[in-house]
Amino acid sequence: DAGVTQSPTHLIKTRGQHVTLRCSPISGHKSVSWYQQVLGQGPQFIFQYYEKEERGRGNFPDRFSARQFPNYSSELNVNALLLGDSALYLCASSEIGDYGYTFGSGTRLTVV
Amino acid sequence: AQSVTQLDSQVPVFEEAPVELRCNYSSSVSVYLFWYVQYPNQGLQLLLKYLSGSTLVKGINGFEAEFNKSQTSFHLRKPSVHISDTAEYFCAVSSFLQGAQKLVFGQGTRLTINP
Repeated sequence: DAGVTQSPTHLIKTRGQHVTLRCSPISGHKSVSWYQQVLGQGPQFIFQYYEKEERGRGNFPDRFSARQFPNYSSELNVNALLLGDSALYLCASSEIGDYGYTFGSGTRLTVV
Repeated sequence: AQSVTQLDSQVPVFEEAPVELRCNYSSSVSVYLFWYVQYPNQGLQLLLKYLSGSTLVKGINGFEAEFNKSQTSFHLRKPSVHISDTAEYFCAVSSFLQGAQKLVFGQGTRLTINP
């Protein structure tokens, strides 16, 4: 079975641009969460989506948005990129009530 | 609010030696605790989790952890490490925030195995 897949694996953007990151969960998983991992730190929660609805949001500005599609895949969008947005963005899928979070390999975003 | 503190940012050990990576948490409610491993340029892989029951939890790759409620700790141990265990290890606690189920991570511990 395929695990959580994320695309692209690497991305370089210029300050002020926007970016879209994609995530496909494990088949049968209806919940997708996004995390930001800045170099040298632990991952920070950004969003959780379940059944196409946002269930929670971490302490991130409105420049960060996401959505979940009918097939449970998800997109994370970041507008007006700042240098500080450079990080590894991780997607995790799970079933609600199941604490078996499975993470993808991440998208490495570099803002220059 | 729940939080996690990993007491050591780096732990160097020799191959085949035992290792303990320390994790303390703060929470006012029942906790679910996790250890994840991150190899260079990769995502997170679940090593083990504590949800309930036995306080000694066994995971993959020979790792185990012990939940200690009175000391609010969840330390990770392995009796004999290998070069391949070199990685970043993250302790995390599950938290509920306004209907969202999220993980709160510690800062990580870099485990370096020397031959």
